Amino acid sequence: DGGITQSPKYLFRKEGQNVTLSCEQNLNHDAMYWYRQDPGQGLRLIYYSQIVNDFQKGDIAEGYSVSREKKESFPLTVTSAQKNPTAFYLCASSGNSPLHFGNGTRLTVT
Amino acid sequence: DQQVKQNSPSLSVQEGRISILNCDYTNSMFDYFLWYKKYPAEGPTFLISISSIKDKNEDGRFTVFLNKSAKHLSLHIVPSQPGDSAVYFCAALTGTASKLTFGTGTRLQVTL
Repeated sequence: DGGITQSPKYLFRKEGQNVTLSCEQNLNHDAMYWYRQDPGQGLRLIYYSQIVNDFQKGDIAEGYSVSREKKESFPLTVTSAQKNPTAFYLCASSGNSPLHFGNGTRLTVT
Repeated sequence: DQQVKQNSPSLSVQEGRISILNCDYTNSMFDYFLWYKKYPAEGPTFLISISSIKDKNEDGRFTVFLNKSAKHLSLHIVPSQPGDSAVYFCAALTGTASKLTFGTGTRLQVTL
């Protein structure tokens, strides 16, 4: 079945460590996105990529980095510079269709 | 600056009744609107959309209404079912942009 796989579902890290969240899609979509969900704030766009080897900052890119070396993969690195990294992170992709989301990774940084 | 607003954080409706979820936007360049449904610990799933050239779109129990002059859209669910209990996000897009702007969500609880 086609879809988006985010792993792991739950992730725990110590403050000061970088952590990379995985996102893989087999939908053959060109565009991929990373959103962050916090209580009462909806979904906020971190980074997006419309094509391989190209990506743009979203509304809250500070403290994050991405790469898009393959069409299927769009990993997100949460760096130690991100002040409030604990959140639910959602990856999405789209072709000529509404955004299709993965099931998210809940990151807890203590 | 919240360009898409859902002013009701939560809504409780009895099974069988109509659920009405509201969304307001400030950016007049938005020309395509979507509703997503989200269960806890899962990603949002697409529900229904509407283009700005229409004022209504219907899909089964779900109807979205768009009032461009008021910059307001609403999602009607009738009849409401317990399985509809979820968080609903309104989202908007401009023709030239490739990224969705989401509202803050409304948690719908359908009671028996």
